[in-house]
Amino acid sequence: GAVVSQHPSWVICKSGTSVKIECRSLDFQATTMFWYRQFPKQSLMLMATSNEGSKATYEQGVEKDKFLINHASLTLSTLTVTSAHPEDSSFYICSARRGRLQETQYFGPGTRLLVL
Amino acid sequence: QQQVKQSPQSLIVQKGGISIINCAYENTAFDYFPWYQQFPGKGPALLIAIRPDVSEKKEGRFTISFNKSAKQFSLHIMDSQPGDSATYFCAASPRTGTASKLTFGTGTRLQVTL
Repeated sequence: GAVVSQHPSWVICKSGTSVKIECRSLDFQATTMFWYRQFPKQSLMLMATSNEGSKATYEQGVEKDKFLINHASLTLSTLTVTSAHPEDSSFYICSARRGRLQETQYFGPGTRLLVL
Repeated sequence: QQQVKQSPQSLIVQKGGISIINCAYENTAFDYFPWYQQFPGKGPALLIAIRPDVSEKKEGRFTISFNKSAKQFSLHIMDSQPGDSATYFCAASPRTGTASKLTFGTGTRLQVTL
């Protein structure tokens, strides 16, 4: 089956520092990757969509300068939370889509970010 | 028009009972309707999905019922087990297209008691 990994699985950082989260499709090439944010007991909120080699498309209300997304290859996308603050503490989940069909979208295990 | 409404917010079912979760959508461009299961601290996992050309799809104990005219779909979990205790999300999207993206419901926390 298609596997998507995220690293790290959890991270604690001090306020003002930047944190990078990696998302990898392990056994397939992902034409599109998605980044979601999930607060406790809430649904997944799409932050941005990225295609390899092009700029990410951010959802309304998501600060592109704060949440930097790089989709450098067909198997790797990174999300960098710049100058993190406690309100950025959340569960960040990526997904990777193998083709154009939604059935080929697979989710990663998530990364828990805690900003102190 | 992009919303997917999900109910109930939480559900308690006895072991062996039937769990039913409902979703409704507005966007007629949606033609892919998956259900995801999420355990605490984990990413969501695809449980079952349906396309609007069928009214029902069954996989093991899980069944999706789809009503195109009412723009509603539901998940039925038969013979619910304690291991089914999780949060369930419905979602909807156009099935194809590089720009298509999933719109998630608000989630249902299911607890299956002994």
